[in-house]
Amino acid sequence: NAGVTQTPKFRVLKTGQSMTLLCAQDMNHEYMYWYRQDPGMGLRLIHYSVGEGTTAKGEVPDGYNVSRLKKQNFLLGLESAAPSQTSVYFCASSFTGTSEYGYFGPGTRLTVT
Amino acid sequence: KNEVEQSPQNLTAQEGEFITINCSYSVGISALHWLQQHPGGGIVSLFMLSSGKKKHGRLIATINIQEKHSSLHITASHPRDSAVYICAVPYSGGGADGLTFGKGTHLIIQP
Repeated sequence: NAGVTQTPKFRVLKTGQSMTLLCAQDMNHEYMYWYRQDPGMGLRLIHYSVGEGTTAKGEVPDGYNVSRLKKQNFLLGLESAAPSQTSVYFCASSFTGTSEYGYFGPGTRLTVT
Repeated sequence: KNEVEQSPQNLTAQEGEFITINCSYSVGISALHWLQQHPGGGIVSLFMLSSGKKKHGRLIATINIQEKHSSLHITASHPRDSAVYICAVPYSGGGADGLTFGKGTHLIIQP
């Protein structure tokens, strides 16, 4: 039981490049979330999904797109990376949303130069 | 959107001391979360509570719904407790739309 995994762990991009971050969970969770963590700020919600085929915007969605084609995977895409997207990205999942424990992935450290 | 304030931002204590970290929030909630972020960056859920008190080993979490306030206590603190402790509540009070987080309390326990 791997829990929540994230790929890749580290990435450096040049401004304007695109990439996709993959989050996978093997706990059959319905709810999945993408957060970003920046120095001096709390984690902030980017996008979330309440089930396969659904996505919704969070607090800071601009510049990101997401897809949930399979229940176990939640993808976060950056179409044209900007230095402001330099951050650590965390994926999380849970059975029933925010009223129960969430399980976090190990994070992806992204640097955009 | 719920607003979360944590205090203190930084706390250095000696091994064995009793530690208290405070969290206040602005909007009524269905549950409050305490999380621990290790020096390596990983995030672990410690508690989720909607009323009263919960205890896991040396960690105790309490919540006062009327005052919109929660505390995390660590008894007999140990250097391995050194980490960032984060309070989080549902973004809009309850439901599916993720959590909003405090900025965290950076705790260092010195031997």
